[in-house]
Amino acid sequence: EIVMTQSPATLSVSPGERATLSCRASQSVSKNLAWYQQTPGQSPRLLIRGTSTRAADVAARFSGSGSGTEFNLTITNLQSEDFAVYFCQQYNAWPETFGPGTKVEMK
Amino acid sequence: QVHLEESGGGVVQPGKSLRLSCTASGFRFDHYAMHWVRQAPGKGLEWVAVISFDGAHKYSAESVKGRFTVSRDDAKNTVFLQMNNLTVEDTAVYFCARPLLPTAISCFDSWGQGTLVTVAS
Repeated sequence: EIVMTQSPATLSVSPGERATLSCRASQSVSKNLAWYQQTPGQSPRLLIRGTSTRAADVAARFSGSGSGTEFNLTITNLQSEDFAVYFCQQYNAWPETFGPGTKVEMK
Repeated sequence: QVHLEESGGGVVQPGKSLRLSCTASGFRFDHYAMHWVRQAPGKGLEWVAVISFDGAHKYSAESVKGRFTVSRDDAKNTVFLQMNNLTVEDTAVYFCARPLLPTAISCFDSWGQGTLVTVAS
């Protein structure tokens, strides 16, 4: 199966700043990469699909990039509601696998 | 809108069984494959199992193969996860999830709120 890794494990950012999260796949997943946001006690929420397409009702400050094995999620002008854990997921090959997550915390 | 609601979680002893349910509404349930994903306390997400839209194909993760079985009842818009021979490593919140694309490998655009399964003696 394709192994997903994410870095850093924790990212400390001040409100209003920019955060860049990385995700790496053990083999190419083309552009079949999604990002999810999870806040404590909640279920994951789809943010980005197809590497760079924002899901419905996702703010424009979230953007995704990359292809193959290297991907980034960028959050500009961080808002209080953006402090959460972010997971990447590949869906290029079965089984769909997730990264371990990056926690974005307030600095 | 799409709504998924899991039920059936609880505390169970190692070696015992539990059946989870996920009832769906707001979309054509019988057009979609359905997935189960779990999350151990403080950990990441682990895909567990999938059943195809017609129930003809079922796949599960290696960690649960031979112990967990997924099924569906389209008349009740419900997908089930039968979990047998549970171990402490199965302790997690179990989510059902709907894929964005009904019948292909896909990301998940809708999730239930999850149901907690605790395996402990």
